[in-house]
Amino acid sequence: QSVLTQPPSVSAAPGQKVTISCSGSRSNIGISHVSWYQQLPGTAPRLLIYDNDKRPSGIPDRFSGSKSGTSATLGITGLQTGDEAVYYCGAWDSSLSAGLVFGGGTKVTVL
Amino acid sequence: EVQLVQSGAEVRKPGESLKISCKTSGYSFPSFWIGWVRQMPGKGLEWMGIIHPGDSDTRYSPSFQGHVTISADNSFSTAYLQWKSLKASDTAIYYCARFPDTSMIDYWGQGTLVTVSS
Repeated sequence: QSVLTQPPSVSAAPGQKVTISCSGSRSNIGISHVSWYQQLPGTAPRLLIYDNDKRPSGIPDRFSGSKSGTSATLGITGLQTGDEAVYYCGAWDSSLSAGLVFGGGTKVTVL
Repeated sequence: EVQLVQSGAEVRKPGESLKISCKTSGYSFPSFWIGWVRQMPGKGLEWMGIIHPGDSDTRYSPSFQGHVTISADNSFSTAYLQWKSLKASDTAIYYCARFPDTSMIDYWGQGTLVTVSS
C-alpha cells in the first residue's frame, strides 16, 4: 500500500492528452514539493518534473505538472508511442516515519 | 556529465552477506545526498535511505532500518548498500540515486539486480 495514491493505468490514442493524479496528505504533498518520474520498460526511472511544475533540461514541454493542496497532477499532451511507461509521483513525508514516499505508479498505454 | 554506475548483478543464498556499490562522477560527491531505492519484481519504487557524504548524516526508512547499511567513501566518490544476512524477500533491483535535496531524485544509476535463492 503506497503512501501516495495514483490510478493503476490510463490510456489514450496517439496525439491525445492524458492526466495522472497523485493524492497524498498534509504530511507529504501538503507541505512538500512533488516530483514525477518516468520508467520505460526495462530501464531505470528518470526525472520528469520537479518542484511541482518544473522540467529538467531535455524534457519536452508536452509534460507538465501541477499541485493543489494535497494532490498533484502530471499531464502529457501530444501522446506518443514512446511515452508508454510507468509514471511515479514522489514527495517528502514529514510524519514519524519521515522519508521520500512514492505513488504506486501509473501505466500509460498508447492505444 | 553526472554519472552513477552500479556494480553488476549478484546471486546469493539466504543468510549470506552482500555489498553493492555505486560509483559516481561528474559532480562534487560530498555536496549531494545519495541513496538507494528498491524495486521488487513487478512492483513500484521504495525509498530505502540516504547519506550525505559531506558529514555522513544517514537516514533510513523504518522499513529498512536495521536490515541494511548505507555508506559512502569520498575518496572513491562511491556509495554502498550492504546486507549482513540476506533473505529471499530481498530479491529486487536496487537503484542508487542522487538527491539534490532530500525530497527529489535528479540522477539514477542503472540498477543492480540482487537475487537471493537457496
